[in-house]
Amino acid sequence: GQNIDQPTEMTATEGAIVQINCTYQTSGFNGLFWYQQHAGEAPTFLSYNVLDGLEEKGRFSSFLSRSKGYSYLLLKELQMKDSASYLCASAGGYQKVTFGTGTKLQVIP
Amino acid sequence: NAGVTQTPKFQVLKTGQSMTLQCAQDMNHEYMSWYRQDPGMGLRLIHYSVGAGITDQGEVPNGYNVSRSTTEDFPLRLLSAAPSQTSVYFCASSYRESSYEQYFGPGTRLTVT
Repeated sequence: GQNIDQPTEMTATEGAIVQINCTYQTSGFNGLFWYQQHAGEAPTFLSYNVLDGLEEKGRFSSFLSRSKGYSYLLLKELQMKDSASYLCASAGGYQKVTFGTGTKLQVIP
Repeated sequence: NAGVTQTPKFQVLKTGQSMTLQCAQDMNHEYMSWYRQDPGMGLRLIHYSVGAGITDQGEVPNGYNVSRSTTEDFPLRLLSAAPSQTSVYFCASSYRESSYEQYFGPGTRLTVT
C-alpha cells in the first residue's frame, strides 16, 4: 500500500522557517512530490524528489530518504502568502499517484 | 496555452441524474487523471489514462466512467449521481506517466441533493 502521513495543521510566524514532514509506506516507490494548494484553488507543483538528499528551489527545499520512507518540505523566510495547504504525494506502481491529506499551514504576523 | 480546462465550474444534480465533467488540455500530455477532494480525505484518484485509448481505475472508481478517445480530452461520467459524490473534482495532466509533475485544472464543485 501507499499510506502517506503528514500533520494536519501547523502554525508559524512570518519570517521564520517551518518544516513539514511526510512519511510514506510504499512498494514500487518511484518518487515523492510536494504540491501547494491555496484555499479554493487547484494544487500547484512545488518539487519532486526521486533520489535521497536535499533539493533547493529558492525559499523552498525538499528532502527525501528512501530507506526511511521520509520526506520533508522546508519553507524559509515565511511570507503571509505561504498560508496554504501543502500536499505530499507518492508516485508508485502502475502509474498511480497517491496524495496525503495535506498540511494546512497558517502564517501569522 | 490554456493549460488544463474543466467545465462546468459548479454543478448541482439530483440523486439519480447523470452528467459528464469535461476536461481538456492543450499541452500534448500523455498522462491524464481525475481526482476528487473531500474535507479531511485529501485528493483521491478516480481514474487515469496513460495515453489515448488507455484508461485504468484509481482508488475510488465506483460510480464513474472515463474514456480517452483523443490525447486532449478526458471526460468523467457520473452514471447515477449519489449524495456521496458531492465533492470537488480536479482533472490533471502530465507530460508522461506518473513521475512527472501534474498540472491541475481549476476544479468542478459538484453538489448532489
